[in-house]
Amino acid sequence: EAGVTQSPTHLIKTRGQQATLRCSPISGHTSVYWYQQALGLGLQFLLWYDEGEERNRGNFPPRFSGRQFPNYSSELNVNALELEDSALYLCASTRGVLAGTDTQYFGPGTRLTVL
Amino acid sequence: AQSVTQLDSQVPVFEEAPVELRCNYSSSVSVYLFWYVQYPNQGLQLLLKYLSGSTLVKGINGFEAEFNKSQTSFHLRKPSVHISDTAEYFCAVNKITGGGNKLTFGTGTQLKVEL
Repeated sequence: EAGVTQSPTHLIKTRGQQATLRCSPISGHTSVYWYQQALGLGLQFLLWYDEGEERNRGNFPPRFSGRQFPNYSSELNVNALELEDSALYLCASTRGVLAGTDTQYFGPGTRLTVL
Repeated sequence: AQSVTQLDSQVPVFEEAPVELRCNYSSSVSVYLFWYVQYPNQGLQLLLKYLSGSTLVKGINGFEAEFNKSQTSFHLRKPSVHISDTAEYFCAVNKITGGGNKLTFGTGTQLKVEL
């Protein structure tokens, strides 16, 4: 069974540009979570999508947004990039919204560097 | 809101020695508890989780953790470490009711196993 996949592996942008990160969950999983792992700040919850809808978001500005497609894959968009957006962005998936006990399976991440 | 404290940012230990990585949490509601491991340049992998029942939880790679409700702790232990255990370890919590499956992570403990 394929795990969570993320693309691209690395992404280099300049300040003010937009970045798009992609995530494909494990087959059968409907929930996708996005986390930011920035140096010195640890892992911070960004967004949670389930069945195509945004269910919850962390304490991030609106220029962080995303969506979930009918096949449950997800996109994270970061607009007006700032230097401090440089981080590893991790995607995780679970079976669904009722699965509070469910293990979150993580992808390998996308390393975003903003110059 | 929940919070997780991992008191030790780095733990050096010799191979075959025992190790304990500490995790304390704070929450006004009951929580589920998790330990994840992150190897260099990889995503997170679940080591073990506590949902209910026995307070001693056994995970993969010989790791175990004990839930102590009175001390609000969930320390991770391994009786004999190997070089391959060198990685960063994250403790995380998820509240049992409401909010879905959003994990709150600690800042991580870097375990360095030396010969």
